[in-house]
Amino acid sequence: NAGVTQTPKFQVLKTGQSMTLQCAQDMNHEYMSWYRQDPGMGLRLIHYSVGAGITDQGEVPNGYNVSRSTTEDFPLRLLSAAPSQTSVYFCASSPAGTGVGYGYTFGSGTRLTVV
Amino acid sequence: GNSVTQMEGPVTLSEEAFLTINCTYTATGYPSLFWYVQYPGEGLQLLLKATKADDKGSNKGFEATYRKETTSFHLEKGSVQVSDSAVYFCALSEPSLNDYKLSFGAGTTVTVRA
Repeated sequence: NAGVTQTPKFQVLKTGQSMTLQCAQDMNHEYMSWYRQDPGMGLRLIHYSVGAGITDQGEVPNGYNVSRSTTEDFPLRLLSAAPSQTSVYFCASSPAGTGVGYGYTFGSGTRLTVV
Repeated sequence: GNSVTQMEGPVTLSEEAFLTINCTYTATGYPSLFWYVQYPGEGLQLLLKATKADDKGSNKGFEATYRKETTSFHLEKGSVQVSDSAVYFCALSEPSLNDYKLSFGAGTTVTVRA
């Protein structure tokens, strides 16, 4: 099925460990974003990309890295996990230009716990 | 900067009741406005959208009208069902300013009782 695929769905990390959350889309969307969802805070933007090779920081980028080597993939790297990074992470994609005005498609999320 | 303010929840209703969730926004240009829904244990799904003033978005019995004069995009449904229990997010982007990021409200949890 076409859409945004995130892996893994669940992950437990120890403080200080690193890991990569994977995100792939097969809709040829230019724009991709990573959000974290915390209770009572809605979704906050971590990093985003407007095309292959182009990334930028969102509201809460500290502790996370991204790269966009292909249109399809947009992995999120946690460099040294901290308990404050316990959250649900969502990847989303959208067509370029005015197509963005028609909404993003979201993945099903990764629930991360850092102990 | 852009911001979205939603009414705080949780909201608890009986089946067939009328639902309104208020949403107001602050934006620089001419934003596109969205309502997303998140059912328990799932990701976000686009519920409806409006891309210019006075547009009405509608889907699954839900409606919202883009009111530029009051900077609002309130979500309404005339008769809710238990299956409408979810978290609802209001959001905006500003493609007119080449700002493609999506800014979200805090979300409103709705529970519908049989």
